[in-house]
Amino acid sequence: GEDVEQSLFLSVREGDSSVINCTYTDSSSTYLYWYKQEPGAGLQLLTYIFSNMDMKQDQRLTVLLNKKDKHLSLRIADTQTGDSAIYFCAESQDDKIIFGKGTRLHILP
Amino acid sequence: GAVVSQHPSWVICKSGTSVKIECRSLDFQATTMFWYRQFPKQSLMLMATSNEGSKATYEQGVEKDKFLINHASLTLSTLTVTSAHPEDSSFYICSAKAAGTTHSNQPQHFGDGTRLSIL
Repeated sequence: GEDVEQSLFLSVREGDSSVINCTYTDSSSTYLYWYKQEPGAGLQLLTYIFSNMDMKQDQRLTVLLNKKDKHLSLRIADTQTGDSAIYFCAESQDDKIIFGKGTRLHILP
Repeated sequence: GAVVSQHPSWVICKSGTSVKIECRSLDFQATTMFWYRQFPKQSLMLMATSNEGSKATYEQGVEKDKFLINHASLTLSTLTVTSAHPEDSSFYICSAKAAGTTHSNQPQHFGDGTRLSIL
């Protein structure tokens, strides 16, 4: 199966919280990442979490890691129209980064 | 800091043409650069890993004679799509890893991508 899996679409009303979920397969991954890609642009590293952490909060972003279940989530509080983008979950494997297929976040007015 | 510049950002050319894409690390030295391909609404697929001064390592299924990679200096890697055809149309993204970096919170810095359209 795929190394990193995530749902493809998420619709959220403006002001609500968005939660994007991801599962990965490599338990030896040192870092897990969330990247944001806006239309026609490259990737922007949003946040990361070290594999021995359970949670990381950075302003509106909260990352939760369940290492036992190999489950990672990204919560965006008070979702804004500018948050509309594709969000990629990724894991580190040696020198490489393995990406999921991305979750397209759509903001409803 | 850690800016990666990719050029051109968009290129349209005729079938059979060879196209060169440049990836530069502007304010750091990159011993390793990566080339990805992204199809519409798909994830990034790693094509090859480029190490300065040595041959690139290609992922399974990527034709090395089709996608020529040169990493001649610590700040520049190029990807040349030879004799491009419409099926090569895609979004190509490079990333660079700073010299001396092992595991870090940002092991790769990404360029803004090149959209290649072959007519």
